[in-house]
This record gives sequence, C-alpha cells and structure tokens, in this order.
Amino acid sequence: DQQVKQNSPSLSVQEGRISILNCDYTNSMFDYFLWYKKYPAEGPTFLISISSIKDKNEDGRFTVFLNKSAKHLSLHIVPSQPGDSAVYFCAASVASGGSYIPTFGRGTSLIVHP
Amino acid sequence: KAGVTQTPRYLIKTRGQQVTLSCSPISGHRSVSWYQQTPGQGLQFLFEYFSETQRNKGNFPGRFSGRQFSNSRSEMNVSTLELGDSALYLCASRLTGGGGEKLFFGSGTQLSVL
Repeated sequence: DQQVKQNSPSLSVQEGRISILNCDYTNSMFDYFLWYKKYPAEGPTFLISISSIKDKNEDGRFTVFLNKSAKHLSLHIVPSQPGDSAVYFCAASVASGGSYIPTFGRGTSLIVHP
Repeated sequence: KAGVTQTPRYLIKTRGQQVTLSCSPISGHRSVSWYQQTPGQGLQFLFEYFSETQRNKGNFPGRFSGRQFSNSRSEMNVSTLELGDSALYLCASRLTGGGGEKLFFGSGTQLSVL
C-alpha cells in the first residue's frame, strides 16, 4: 500500500523549459514534504521541503507547490538544465516514536536534453 | 564537515550468509536511519536509531537488525541472506529527527546476493 506515489517513472524535458514532477499521497496526517535528488552511484541529496501549513516554497530555480485538498504536490524546475538530470524522490513525513520518518515515493527519472 | 560514510561500497554474498554494513554519521548527528533501495520499490525504511536506541522500525523481517554505538556510528546486519535482499542499502543521518529536518545520505552499500 503506497502512501506516497510518483506516477510518472520518467520525464524528458528540453533544456531551458520547465520540468514539473508530481507526487500524490494518501495520508492526510503527513506534516512535511521533501524532495530529494539522486545521481547514479550517489546517495540522495536534499533539494527542497514544504510544511503542510504552506502551499508554496521557493528556492532559486526550484519551487514546490502543495495542494492539501487534492493530496498532491509538485516540484517545478525553471529553467531546466542538463545537470538536473537525475532521479527525483518525493517524501512525506509524519511524527512517529518521537521522530519524523519520511516515506518515499518510487522516484521519477528526469532527463534534460541540451 | 565530513559527510555520511558507508562501508563497504560493494559486497557480494551467497544465500544463507550474513552481512554487516557500517555507517558513520555526520559529526553531531544523533539520528541514523537505514533504507533499502531496489529498482521496483524505491526507498524503503528499515529502522532509525537515536542515542543508541531503536526509535522506529519499518516493515522488514527480523533478519534485518541494527544497532548504534555511543559515538552515533551505526551498523546494520542481515542474517540468512536471500536473493531478494540484493539492493542498495542507504544510511542517512540528521541532528535529531524533528519536523522537516532533512536527511543526509551516504553513498550506500550495494549488496549482491548470489
């Protein structure tokens, strides 16, 4: 039972255009949402996050939008660059045992063509 | 500051054997989590340790165990290896595990079970 779903396994975009990566979740108790980027042979690295009390967070070329009523979030990358080509994981966390444990989606592989 | 260090990077074992993976977190980080990544399942949470105590556990069989030492270093053990245990095992650390606190991942240990 997937609580965090990334329904697009892959996405191909032209350099300079916008990349939109989507993520859906089922648990309305999730408090925080995070995006991670992963290059081959490396561990994931944190990209951007958003609290459930907000609907938008920006950091440079990266913007995350949260639609709580639809249980949907998206990551926008503008403009896309070839170096953005990686696997992107959406994660959502809720308090458990004194900590917040992220549940990850299966990832979307983004390819940005020069 | 040194990042999260995982050893070894690669490991080949045969069915029925056991294996121990090691993780050194970022200095000052007290929370260490372990994840299993497989192509079809994404990142699956194994367990989290904080101050030498297991604080959370994912949905994995008892063959998977771990521990954390007083210096926050952590080890993960898998006994009676099965072919399906072949995966990338990722360790991640963070200060305490609160709120939207991001995870810092190591590069992982690629385990192949033959």
